[in-house]
Amino acid sequence: GQSLEQPSEVTAVEGAIVQINCTYQTSGFYGLSWYQQHDGGAPTFLSYNALDGLEETGRFSSFLSRSDSYGYLLLQELQMKDSASYFCAVLNTGGFKTIFGAGTRLFVKA
Amino acid sequence: DVKVTQSSRYLVKRTGEKVFLECVQDMDHENMFWYRQDPGLGLRLIYFSYDVKMKEKGDIPEGYSVSREKKERFSLILESASTNQTSMYLCASSRGQGNSPLHFGNGTRLTVT
Repeated sequence: GQSLEQPSEVTAVEGAIVQINCTYQTSGFYGLSWYQQHDGGAPTFLSYNALDGLEETGRFSSFLSRSDSYGYLLLQELQMKDSASYFCAVLNTGGFKTIFGAGTRLFVKA
Repeated sequence: DVKVTQSSRYLVKRTGEKVFLECVQDMDHENMFWYRQDPGLGLRLIYFSYDVKMKEKGDIPEGYSVSREKKERFSLILESASTNQTSMYLCASSRGQGNSPLHFGNGTRLTVT
């Protein structure tokens, strides 16, 4: 089977750094993606890691360790607008099929 | 910008009805997907299609079917709606194979009574 584990909720203060972890079990692993979803909105793509290491995009970074089946999303200089749900997702089956975790609800406090 | 449009934002149907959810994308994407989203369960893949008239089962295809007669349109069909199919349904599209990101529509909130 395949599964992704991520914390259900994380709370942090404005300006802080927060890390959302994701561990996965899947066959035919292709890469790990992260999506953000605000309440009432559609999920939007944040980042993708196919190889081990850190990918940085502005305030957001994503890390992957294929040997540990583990990745994380790092959000720096948190802002109130970062309050949202964050999903890790695995791309497999020849690069067509994306499977999502249950999501992490991030609350940013003033 | 890629636009994925779902025909209805809210839908209320009765148990046993046949339900059609329509999705159209305007960026000539090869791949299209249907997910359902439920609290605490994340997004679960129902069906996907990587080409016209091609379809593959996702993780929860039971009770659903799909149709892709044209590249830009992917329809989800509930043959006989049941209350446990009450959910948010999200359509997505992506280009080709590999790390092309998914572009989602705004979702259809379906209630089956």
